[in-house]
Amino acid sequence: AQKVTQTQTSISVMEKTTVTMDCVYETRDSSYFLFWYKQTASGEIVFLIRQDSYKKENATEGHYSLNFQKPKSSIGLIITATQIEDSAVYFCAMRENTEGADRLTFGKGTQLIIQP
Amino acid sequence: NAGVIQTPRHKVTGKGQEATLWCEPISGHSAVFWYRQTIVQGLEFLTYFRNQAPIDDSGMPKERFSAQMPNQSHSTLKIQSTQPQDSAVYLCASSLGARNSDYTFGSGTRLLVI
Repeated sequence: AQKVTQTQTSISVMEKTTVTMDCVYETRDSSYFLFWYKQTASGEIVFLIRQDSYKKENATEGHYSLNFQKPKSSIGLIITATQIEDSAVYFCAMRENTEGADRLTFGKGTQLIIQP
Repeated sequence: NAGVIQTPRHKVTGKGQEATLWCEPISGHSAVFWYRQTIVQGLEFLTYFRNQAPIDDSGMPKERFSAQMPNQSHSTLKIQSTQPQDSAVYLCASSLGARNSDYTFGSGTRLLVI
């Protein structure tokens, strides 16, 4: 069964710095998809970025990028030039690339606090 | 595009009453998912539909929870004989259905059972 673990419960950084949030996953599949989502204080959950396991290059999207280390089953989210509005809870999620495995399995989340 | 619409936003029920939660997915999205979010358990998968057909309900508590998708424009999650432990935010999401598709989440229904 797939499992996603985010060990950092909360991180606090100063505005305009770079932050990395960790995520490790477990799967028996050789092909899978990894996602990061953000949940704001209002409760809204928004998709940020995706990494396909068969791609070696790290995905980037605006000021979000990923540090994908397949041998370590690790997918870190990097946010550069952080802004106050990046304060939120960040969820890592995984979906296996097999028939019927359409659901996403989520980690417990990391709360990010950006201080002015 | 109004996104995924969930109603009501908040619902308070008495223990033992029934609660029905509604979801309108994004038009053109073939997959609809229901999740439950609590502080302790985080985001838990409940069930999902593809092209209106139920595919996987392995996360549903068997006895009191049921979900339907009678047409492509809405899905319902029904909880019979609600219990205090059912209190949670219930989230609906939809996607284009490809395995690399991301979800679009609704704003959720916050259910409180007293």
